[in-house]
Amino acid sequence: EVQLVESGGGLVQPGGSLRLSCAASGFGFSYYLMNWVRQAPGKGLEWVANINEGGRETHYVDSVKGRFTISRDDASNSLYLQMNSLRAEDTAVYYCAREDYMSGLDYWGQGTLVTVSS
Amino acid sequence: DIQMTQSPSTLSASVGDRVTITCRASQSVSTWLAWYQQKPGKAPKLLMYKASSLERGVPSRFSGSGSGTEFTLTISSLQPDDFATYYCQQYSSYSWTFGQGTKVEIK
Repeated sequence: EVQLVESGGGLVQPGGSLRLSCAASGFGFSYYLMNWVRQAPGKGLEWVANINEGGRETHYVDSVKGRFTISRDDASNSLYLQMNSLRAEDTAVYYCAREDYMSGLDYWGQGTLVTVSS
Repeated sequence: DIQMTQSPSTLSASVGDRVTITCRASQSVSTWLAWYQQKPGKAPKLLMYKASSLERGVPSRFSGSGSGTEFTLTISSLQPDDFATYYCQQYSSYSWTFGQGTKVEIK
């Protein structure tokens, strides 16, 4: 069974940093692109970043470029999102999602809440 | 970036109704279009991919159509479990973008 479990969310002050993790199991993690998608309270979905198999290619939404870094460790089946210079508008539930080339985001974790507030 | 616009934003319907949601892209995405269902407090669930392909395990009352810039998601006979918010998403060109969502409410 495919499982994605996020962790690392919490309350952080504006300008602070946080590192999210996503533990993957039940599939060949190294063979898949992986994504982070966020959802601000009461709002819609916003794609944040993705990373290809092997980790050599990454893409980001403009609003997080230069502040967030996506990475992966295939040895431990883990996905990460390092978030620096956090702003109030980064407050959201962050989901980890597996990407299938043909079918889009086919498996999602349960999400972890990040709150940026003083 | 490609903008995705869904209509309507909210839809009131009854069990058994046929429901159609529209998604428009600001430029062609070919058929690189997915639909997701999300219930309150839960992660999104993939329903359709490549515009018209049904994800495994999704009931056949869901169908999708379209290509280029115009897409539709249809629920042929609305069931109680279908009351949720639906999102389209293009995966043709980075950055991936979602529509703003369509909430299907009980009439």
